[in-house]
Amino acid sequence: DVKVTQSSRYLVKRTGEKVFLECVQDMDHENMFWYRQDPGLGLRLIYFSYDVKMKEKGDIPEGYSVSREKKERFSLILESASTNQTSMYLCASRDTASYSNQPQHFGDGTRLSIL
Amino acid sequence: AQSVTQPDIHITVSEGASLELRCNYSYGATPYLFWYVQSPGQGLQLLLKYFSGDTLVQGIKGFEAEFKRSQSSFNLRKPSVHWSDAAEYFCAVGANFGNEKLTFGTGTRLTIIP
Repeated sequence: DVKVTQSSRYLVKRTGEKVFLECVQDMDHENMFWYRQDPGLGLRLIYFSYDVKMKEKGDIPEGYSVSREKKERFSLILESASTNQTSMYLCASRDTASYSNQPQHFGDGTRLSIL
Repeated sequence: AQSVTQPDIHITVSEGASLELRCNYSYGATPYLFWYVQSPGQGLQLLLKYFSGDTLVQGIKGFEAEFKRSQSSFNLRKPSVHWSDAAEYFCAVGANFGNEKLTFGTGTRLTIIP
């Protein structure tokens, strides 16, 4: 089974801090994703990465950046945290070594509170 | 652009009753469709997926979904729910030319009453 591990389940930070959320997958997947989940809004894509050092903006990239230096690790960075970034953050990975569209596999999420 | 609508925000059913969760999508060609389930405090788990072929798809935990092109729908069903099915359910659509991105619906929260 695919395992996607997010480094923290719960995180509390202060406004203005630089925040790092880490995600590691163990299946050598090319694609990795960061979403935020808010009540009534579902999942919204922040950034995704096709492969190492490759990234593309999703639907709501403002206030975030990402880093993918190694294939298994995809980091989400809040450059200067704000209270409106309090949310559940979900990481996912996906295999592309197939012609069919493979599903995304999710981690358990990080619930981030910005005070 | 693709989109997904889950018209029911919250559904309550009795244990043992049948269940149908609605999902409507918008996409110009045949889409890839997925149903995920999220238990409280957890990530999303894949229930089932549709790519092509048989329009009735079987998934895990006794769930199935039917793709109806004429109605742009991909409704999730289960003949008899269990208390452990209480969770939030998300429908998602992806493009069929290998685009990696999925578009998710806003979710349906399922409550089971004894």
